[in-house]
Amino acid sequence: AQTVTQSQPEMSVQEAETVTLSCTYDTSESDYYLFWYKQPPSRQMILVIRQEAYKQQNATENRFSVNFQKAAKSFSLKISDSQLGDAAMYFCAYRTSFGAGSYQLTFGKGTKLSVIP
Amino acid sequence: DGGITQSPKYLFRKEGQNVTLSCEQNLNHDAMYWYRQDPGQGLRLIYYSQIVNDFQKGDIAEGYSVSREKKESFPLTVTSAQKNPTAFYLCASSISDRINAYNEQFFGPGTRLTVL
Repeated sequence: AQTVTQSQPEMSVQEAETVTLSCTYDTSESDYYLFWYKQPPSRQMILVIRQEAYKQQNATENRFSVNFQKAAKSFSLKISDSQLGDAAMYFCAYRTSFGAGSYQLTFGKGTKLSVIP
Repeated sequence: DGGITQSPKYLFRKEGQNVTLSCEQNLNHDAMYWYRQDPGQGLRLIYYSQIVNDFQKGDIAEGYSVSREKKESFPLTVTSAQKNPTAFYLCASSISDRINAYNEQFFGPGTRLTVL
């Protein structure tokens, strides 16, 4: 079974600075999908960014970008120009691309990000 | 506006009672999911349904039941057999990986269940 590990339970960043959240995963598959979700205090889960394993280019969405290292099984999230609204729990998630398991997301335990004004 | 609604937002239950959590979506998504979230934990999958009248157990299905009689609705019943039901419950939906390869899941606002 796949596992997703987020080794930083909590992190903090100064407003306008850059922060990187770590995520590693364990899989024997070659094609899969990776996601970062944000859960603010409202507890609504919001998709931040997504990446397909076969795509070499790192995904970018405005101030959010990933560093996808397939060989190292690493999928870190970089937040640039941090804003107060970025304060939230961030979850890394993995999805296989094959069979019935393709409907199942495996989540890490999350990283709580605080933004300091 | 298209989206996923869950009701109620807060739910209190006495021990030994069954309770049903509602989840409705108007996104025309084929697949729906139920997750449980506990403090310090990621989300864990309870059940999911790829199409109407079909559903599969996730990692922690014991003590829960679901139905999928309509595409838009996927209610979750927490039974008295669930040993520790106090948690935050999230419903999600996705279109299908036949249409969108990423098949990313979109989430509702959640229901907080407390057993008294």
